[in-house]
Formats: sequence, structure tokens, C-alpha cells
Amino acid sequence: GQNIDQPTEMTATEGAIVQINCTYQTSGFNGLFWYQQHAGEAPTFLSYNVLDGLEEKGRFSSFLSRSKGYSYLLLKELQMKDSASYLCAVRAVPLTGGGNKLTFGTGTQLKVEL
Amino acid sequence: DVKVTQSSRYLVKRTGEKVFLECVQDMDHENMFWYRQDPGLGLRLIYFSYDVKMKEKGDIPEGYSVSREKKERFSLILESASTNQTSMYLCASSLFAPWDRDDNEQFFGPGTRLTVL
Repeated sequence: GQNIDQPTEMTATEGAIVQINCTYQTSGFNGLFWYQQHAGEAPTFLSYNVLDGLEEKGRFSSFLSRSKGYSYLLLKELQMKDSASYLCAVRAVPLTGGGNKLTFGTGTQLKVEL
Repeated sequence: DVKVTQSSRYLVKRTGEKVFLECVQDMDHENMFWYRQDPGLGLRLIYFSYDVKMKEKGDIPEGYSVSREKKERFSLILESASTNQTSMYLCASSLFAPWDRDDNEQFFGPGTRLTVL
């Protein structure tokens, strides 16, 4: 089975930097995804890591350490529109059938304040 | 743009009714998924399909079944709805890509909020 932990809530100030952590235990790790979900909307893809290190995409970066079972999402120059839930999801090597099955954490609700 | 559509945004049903939730994607994706999302529990996988007529149970399949007769359409069926199936249901699709590629993100539909009375 898989277990994914991330903080329930975080608050940060507009213009600041925030780091959202995710730890996981899984057998057969095959990639970690971050999704953003605004209230009442569908999740949208933010980033993907399968090798150790940092992946940067504009204001958003994601880091992975496979040996530690740890990832973080870094958001820079926070804007009010970044207030959303951030979901960490782990993909495992499939035992049968098709691949690309994800297990999601419960999400971190980020509130950006003035 | 990838588009995943779901038949209803809001649905109200009575206990014991048979409920059909439909999902259609227009990007020729092989994989399709049904999740439910509940406060404090996150997204949980109910069923997924990696090809027409192929399906696999997810983490919480009890009380649900699925149908994939055509590649673009994946249906979730509640044979006899119960109040504990009140939830937000999200459909997603993705390519069936080699494991080490990153272009197989899941694309989500807008969700169906189902209330069972």
C-alpha cells in the first residue's frame, strides 16, 4: 500500500515564498505529481518528478528525494490567486494491467493573505 | 486543449436508485479514472480503465461498477445508491505512456456533486 502525508493547512503573505511538504511510503515508486485545485474546480497539473532534484516551472518548483520519501512544492512571489488546495500524488509501478494509477494525499489548503 | 466532460455538475438521487455518471474525453486517451473526493479524505480511486472493456478496481470499489464500451466514454454506476455515497465524483483521463515520461498527467473533468437522500 501507499501512505502520503502533507500538512492540512498553511497561510502565507502575498509576495512571499511558501514550501509545501509531502512525505510518502510506497512500494515501487514511479513518480510524484503535484496538482492545484481551486475551490469548486477540478485539479490541474502543476509538476512531475521522477528523479531526485529540483524541477522549476516559472514561480513554481518541485523537489524530490527518493531515498527520503520526500517532496516539496515551492511557490515564489505568492499571489492571491494561489490560494487553493495543493495535492501531492504518487505513482507506483503497476502490478497488473495498466499504469499511471495515482494515490493522492489529502491536500494542503493554502491561504494567501495581504 | 484536452477536454474531459461529465454529464452533470449536480445530481440529487434517492436511496436505492440506480445512478449513472457519465464521463467523456476528446483526446483519445487510453486511461480513464473515477475518483470520489471527500473532506479530510482527499481523492480516492474507485475504478480505472486502461483500454476499452478493460477495468481494474481502485481503492474503494465497493458499491460501484463501471462500463467502458467506447474509448472516449467511461461510466460509473451506483447500482443502489446509499447516503454514504454522497460525494463529489471526479473523472480523469491520461495517455498510456511509458513509465519514464512525464506527458501522462491526468486531466480532470469538472466533477459531479452527488447527493443521495
